[in-house]
Amino acid sequence: GAGVSQSPSNKVTEKGKDVELRCDPISGHTALYWYRQSLGQGLEFLIYFQGNSAPDKSGLPSDRFSAERTGGSVSTLTIQRTQQEDSAVYLCASSHSRGAAGELFFGEGSRLTVL
Amino acid sequence: DAKTTQPNSMESNEEEPVHLPCNHSTISGTDYIHWYRQLPSQGPEYVIHGLTSNVNNRMASLAIAEDRKSSTLILHRATLRDAAVYYCILKRSNQAGTALIFGKGTTLSVSS
Repeated sequence: GAGVSQSPSNKVTEKGKDVELRCDPISGHTALYWYRQSLGQGLEFLIYFQGNSAPDKSGLPSDRFSAERTGGSVSTLTIQRTQQEDSAVYLCASSHSRGAAGELFFGEGSRLTVL
Repeated sequence: DAKTTQPNSMESNEEEPVHLPCNHSTISGTDYIHWYRQLPSQGPEYVIHGLTSNVNNRMASLAIAEDRKSSTLILHRATLRDAAVYYCILKRSNQAGTALIFGKGTTLSVSS
């Protein structure tokens, strides 16, 4: 499809396990964002990639969280030693512009449940 | 980061206009005003954005105050499908690009 694709759509894991969440942005989009949304809450910014620039990691809640973006396209968000408070919907978005006018296109999200 | 303030919730009736307010008193000259909405169980979707002038598109209108310290998203005729959380966000460009920070938004309920 032409939209932002995220996988898996649902992930259930046990506390302490590592998980990887994948995001395929829209082709040609240089900006990529990760957010998470806990039940009934707003969107929490995690990390932002723009082209070849160093990512803005200011929103990552702990050093258990990391993300990479290979070849300026696909991104993987990794959560190590998952905790129950990590349970949330993880949303990825991409944008074609680095400027302030560019709109974000969101994926459907990956729902993570940590037991 | 420049912040926005929105009411937690608003209610509307179907077919009536809805005015969703947003205050952003610390806005800077390079900040664009963006609106997104999130329908239940979906990711957010772009609604509209503007800088200084009022803007119209097929989804909504954006009215920006002359001093830019506030703005209003206008849905001209609310439908049940417009029930969602509406986020008002300031988007600023800088050397490294632009992160987008969401607030809590306004939950809009639409009654038939």
